[in-house]
Amino acid sequence: AQSVAQPEDQVNVAEGNPLTVKCTYSVSGNPYLFWYVQYPNRGLQFLLKYITGDNLVKGSYGFEAEFNKSQTSFHLKKPSALVSDSALYFCAVRARSGNTPLVFGKGTRLSVIA
Amino acid sequence: DGGITQSPKYLFRKEGQNVTLSCEQNLNHDAMYWYRQDPGQGLRLIYYSQIVNDFQKGDIAEGYSVSREKKESFPLTVTSAQKNPTAFYLCASRVLGGGAPVQPQHFGDGTRLSIL
Repeated sequence: AQSVAQPEDQVNVAEGNPLTVKCTYSVSGNPYLFWYVQYPNRGLQFLLKYITGDNLVKGSYGFEAEFNKSQTSFHLKKPSALVSDSALYFCAVRARSGNTPLVFGKGTRLSVIA
Repeated sequence: DGGITQSPKYLFRKEGQNVTLSCEQNLNHDAMYWYRQDPGQGLRLIYYSQIVNDFQKGDIAEGYSVSREKKESFPLTVTSAQKNPTAFYLCASRVLGGGAPVQPQHFGDGTRLSIL
């Protein structure tokens, strides 16, 4: 079975500071990993994905994520947070075999304070 | 513009009533999905379909039904058997196909369902 854990319900960071949103996963074999962002009363927007290759993945709006196979983690990062980054962030995983749906974490609410 | 359209944006259900949520996509995607979002619980999969006239139950299918008569449409019916239907419902779609790069799921803007 596949699962995702986002250990922090809420992350607070000052504007201009680096941010990290944590994600760990469990899946048989090698994973496909995704990060999405959700603004109030909207659907999820795709930020970035890890398929294979370089462990540091760059995505939209200056976000990046680091894949760590030994720690089964895929943490989302940004060097300098903006107030407009405040939103709900979801990590998701899918096994490489088959066309199974994504399994999502419970989400982490990021609050960037001016 | 290509995308996923969910309607209505807000829906109210009376006791004992079935309601249907619409999801239409013009992305020519093969697979479509329905998720339920509750505060603090993330997204939970209700049903999904990878081909017309075929669909599979997700983790919380009880009290819900779907159909996939056309590739672009995947309506979700919340039946009276679903005793706690108040939630935000999200529809998603994705390209399938061997050899194609792994594509992310695209999401609609959701339908918020409440009980009257």
